[in-house]
Amino acid sequence: DIQMTQSPSSVSASVGDRVTITCRASQGISSWLAWYQQKPGKAPKLLIYIASSLQSGVPSRFSGSGSGTDFTLTISSLQPEDFATYYCQQANSFPLTFGGGTKVEIK
Amino acid sequence: QVQLQESGPGLVKPSETLSLTCTVSGGSISSYYWTWIRQPAGKGLEWIGRIYSSGSTNYNPSLKSRVTMSVDTSKNQFSLKLSSVTAADTAVYYCARERVGDHYYGMEVWGQGTTVTVSS
Repeated sequence: DIQMTQSPSSVSASVGDRVTITCRASQGISSWLAWYQQKPGKAPKLLIYIASSLQSGVPSRFSGSGSGTDFTLTISSLQPEDFATYYCQQANSFPLTFGGGTKVEIK
Repeated sequence: QVQLQESGPGLVKPSETLSLTCTVSGGSISSYYWTWIRQPAGKGLEWIGRIYSSGSTNYNPSLKSRVTMSVDTSKNQFSLKLSSVTAADTAVYYCARERVGDHYYGMEVWGQGTTVTVSS
């Protein structure tokens, strides 16, 4: 199985801050990576696909980058509604696997 | 727009079979991958498996011996069966639509999730 390692596991930030979350795959996955946002009690929501493409309707303050084994999700200016847990997910090979999550908390 | 809704028993006894159905509304079930994911309380996401509208499947090897997925295009539904459940199978179960082509477009539509508890 491909292991997806996210860091940090949690981050405290203020509204307006720039936040960067990293995701490392245990082997190369090309650009077969997606990012999701999950709020408590809700289903995950797709933010980014093909590592860097913004899903329709997602604010442009979210961006993704990377290829191969190292990926990042950046929130350029954190908004109150962005406090949530973020997951990366690879689809290069079965089983599909998710990172352990990064919780973005209010500072 | 497309919406997904999970349904099934919220309580299953140990050793029995968990059965869930996901109903697709607002769009066709054809030509997409349909996926099941679960999340134990306070933990991360685990991919259970996916089924294409044609019926072809891929399962997580960790669950493969206990998982069966099926699709009913006439009802716009797909289903999950997980046999011989234990307390470790207690989780919120989500269904999702996955778009895959030359690239991976992600799990773009999700159901709201249904909580399944395994307990006697």
